[in-house]
Amino acid sequence: SQQGEEDPQALSIQEGENATMNCSYKTSINNLQWYRQNSGRGLVHLILIRSNEREKHSGRLRVTLDTSKKSSSLLITASRAADTASYFCATVYGGSQGNLIFGKGTKLSVKP
Amino acid sequence: GAVVSQHPSRVICKSGTSVKIECRSLDFQATTMFWYRQFPKQSLMLMATSNEGSKATYEQGVEKDKFLINHASLTLSTLTVTSAHPEDSSFYICSARGDRGSWEQYFGPGTRLTVT
Repeated sequence: SQQGEEDPQALSIQEGENATMNCSYKTSINNLQWYRQNSGRGLVHLILIRSNEREKHSGRLRVTLDTSKKSSSLLITASRAADTASYFCATVYGGSQGNLIFGKGTKLSVKP
Repeated sequence: GAVVSQHPSRVICKSGTSVKIECRSLDFQATTMFWYRQFPKQSLMLMATSNEGSKATYEQGVEKDKFLINHASLTLSTLTVTSAHPEDSSFYICSARGDRGSWEQYFGPGTRLTVT
């Protein structure tokens, strides 16, 4: 069953602005990952943060993880029109085979 | 590196027929492959997990006799939708993981199945 919940479900911003997406989950996790999906395409792995990490950076991406609140956020700084896509968080829960449980996703639209 | 392909990218079939979708890891050996289903504007739902040379593990509610998964080699997994119905129309995505110690999955581009 899906355990991740992203908010907002949809986000529309102007190019150059920052975009923040949040994800909450229900059970303890081993790690949390963020993926990007362009319309009608497969997923691209963006970043993985382990349960013992609090923050991670990759280029214009910044991910935070608060295990006490069971939540994570993805920040995209200085957004570009090419960042337009759906973004999903996915959790790997402890004791699993590494199966990903996906959230519902945030559809980001960056207007030029 | 870490490229996963799917074939076909789109397929239209008639009700009652079977359709096979292939998932290949092109530049690495995939010890584990995953099959997902995605309805329009929704998230991915894990259907099954397969390890090379062993039977697939299906998620609750997924009919294993309808969705046949074969992972015969370290670079190929197939999903066969048997006796397809219009409600099976969906976007099917596979992913592959190379190293059992790695948590990262590499996703294929997906297959759009339409059953008429």
